Order: sequence, then C-alpha cells, then structure tokens
Amino acid sequence: SQKIEQNSEALNIQEGKTATLTCNYTNYSPAYLQWYRQDPGRGPVFLLLIRENEKEKRKERLKVTFDTTLKQSLFHITASQPADSATYLCALDLMNYGGSQGNLIFGKGTKLSVKP
Amino acid sequence: GAGVSQSPSNKVTEKGKDVELRCDPISGHTALYWYRQRLGQGLEFLIYFQGNSAPDKSGLPSDRFSAERTGESVSTLTIQRTQQEDSAVYLCASSLAGTSGYNEQFFGPGTRLTVL
Repeated sequence: SQKIEQNSEALNIQEGKTATLTCNYTNYSPAYLQWYRQDPGRGPVFLLLIRENEKEKRKERLKVTFDTTLKQSLFHITASQPADSATYLCALDLMNYGGSQGNLIFGKGTKLSVKP
Repeated sequence: GAGVSQSPSNKVTEKGKDVELRCDPISGHTALYWYRQRLGQGLEFLIYFQGNSAPDKSGLPSDRFSAERTGESVSTLTIQRTQQEDSAVYLCASSLAGTSGYNEQFFGPGTRLTVL
C-alpha cells in the first residue's frame, strides 16, 4: 500500500544545532516533493520544493535533499533558532501526463522544538 | 494581495445538523483544494477543483460531504447530518498550477468544526 512517513512525531534540539527531519515514502512516484511549516492554529506555509531530477535545494538556512532510489527526503535547518519551532510537513506531488497531478499527499508532520 | 480566507473560523454544531464552510482563494488561482486535519494528525485530502474541469472528489469520506466552486472563485464545503467524527480543522488551499508544473499551495487559516 502507499505510505508516506515522517521519521518522528517530535524532535527536540538545542539552539544553534542543525535539525534534520526525514520523510520516507513507499509505492509512490512523486514528480515533486514539498516541505511546509505549520504553526499552531494556522494553515501550512510553503517552504521549499524539490523536483525528482534534483538532488538538493537550498534556501537561506534550509536545505532539502531528495533521493528517489531510497524514496527519501531530508530537510535540514542549520543554525536553528527557537523561532524555527513548529511542525514541518512533507508532501508528495504525484506525476500526471501534464505534470503535477494536483492534490498533495501529506505526511503527518514532525514537531520541532528548538531550545534556547 | 490578500491571502486565502476561510469562514467561519470556528463552528460548533449539534450532531445531525448540516454545516457550510466557505473558502475565498487568492484571486487568479485556478486550483482550489479542501483538506481535513484531525487533532494531531496530518492533512487528509478531500476534493480538488481545477479551472472548469470536473472536480477530483476522490478524497471525500462519504456522500454526506460535498463541495462546490463558482468559476474560479469562492468554494463551499457542505457536510450534511454531521457526526462527531467530522470534528476537525478544515483547510482550504489555492494554487496557480494544476497541470502545467509544480504546485505550491497557499493555505487559509482553517475552520475548526466541533460536532457535539
């Protein structure tokens, strides 16, 4: 069956360290993989997108990798800050003949807490 | 311009009543999505509208759920004969893409539905 899993429900790290979040999937062939941030009581906010033919994408302190052989994406936040505390969701955007299939398949998220 | 808006922000209803949730997408966004997020869970896809195409209703959990969209603007999600298991946050998102490429979605703040 199809499954998308994020490695842990919660991750606690010290300020200044690098946070690494994992997203694994089975029985999907995503064209793109996206990462979103969700704060309590709010809708998710788009952070980064990586295409199936890209290995790595960076944006400021964020880095995403995508390994279609391992069926895994890693999301890194370097020099983490307490303001980075939130739930991070990965989402698969499946392939269709015209490109994106439309709806995203979301993981359950990892709640990151960065302690000062 | 304004982001995605949803109303009401909170809705408390009695079991068996019908409810209507509204979403105003970002102007010019051709794609609109509804998701459900139960407490502590990930996002569950419900329905997807893309331009004038027939909506993708594959995520609707039962025939008590329906949604409409007027052209490329407002959408309403209707839940008939509500049940306690319908209690959740209902999120709406819109995007520019659907078939032409990637699919960054912009989310509204959600409607928190509580069925007593």
